[in-house]
Amino acid sequence: EAQVTQNPRYLITVTGKKLTVTCSQNMNHEYMSWYRQDPGLGLRQIYYSMNVEVTDKGDVPEGYKVSRKEKRNFPLILESPSPNQTSLYFCATREGPDTQYFGPGTRLTVL
Amino acid sequence: GQQLNQSPQSMFIQEGEDVSMNCTSSSIFNTWLWYKQDPGEGPVLLIALYKAGELTSNGRLTAQFGITRKDSFLNISASIPSDVGIYFCAGLRGQNFVFGPGTRLSVLP
Repeated sequence: EAQVTQNPRYLITVTGKKLTVTCSQNMNHEYMSWYRQDPGLGLRQIYYSMNVEVTDKGDVPEGYKVSRKEKRNFPLILESPSPNQTSLYFCATREGPDTQYFGPGTRLTVL
Repeated sequence: GQQLNQSPQSMFIQEGEDVSMNCTSSSIFNTWLWYKQDPGEGPVLLIALYKAGELTSNGRLTAQFGITRKDSFLNISASIPSDVGIYFCAGLRGQNFVFGPGTRLSVLP
């Protein structure tokens, strides 16, 4: 079954404590991306990756890092989380020009 | 950054009614997409539009790519309870997807 998995699904942490949200896909898609979803703002793209070792900033990259060392994984790293990064995060892969497959989401709370 | 506007923000309708929602942008997009998000899940693609003026259907859903390439419309006919959710429009420019804030649809039995 085609899947995008994210871990953890829920996380409560404190300001400044580094964290990583993992994303893994089994569809061999080259394109992967991260979004955050906030009420009234929809989904905003944080970073995307066209292929292994190729990453680019989206609309809201500040405070985030990503890496793409292998095709199936695209972790999102918050080196020093702050309360304004409290949000719902989605990882997605893309097949063809427009079809994105989203993961189930990670709800992050930074106290 | 680029912004998309969706209207209405939310709507309550009776089961069986038809629904219309729209999405506008201050800039041109070459591809328009409509997604639905169920509670607790990620968005799922409903319809993709590639050409100005294009009208595309997917079951009870019909979407149109505006002639100016700055807007798109989604219609749902004969709504049913499982239509409940948030509907997002998105524009694609290059490798960037830009999403609207969503229209929250509630269907009353």
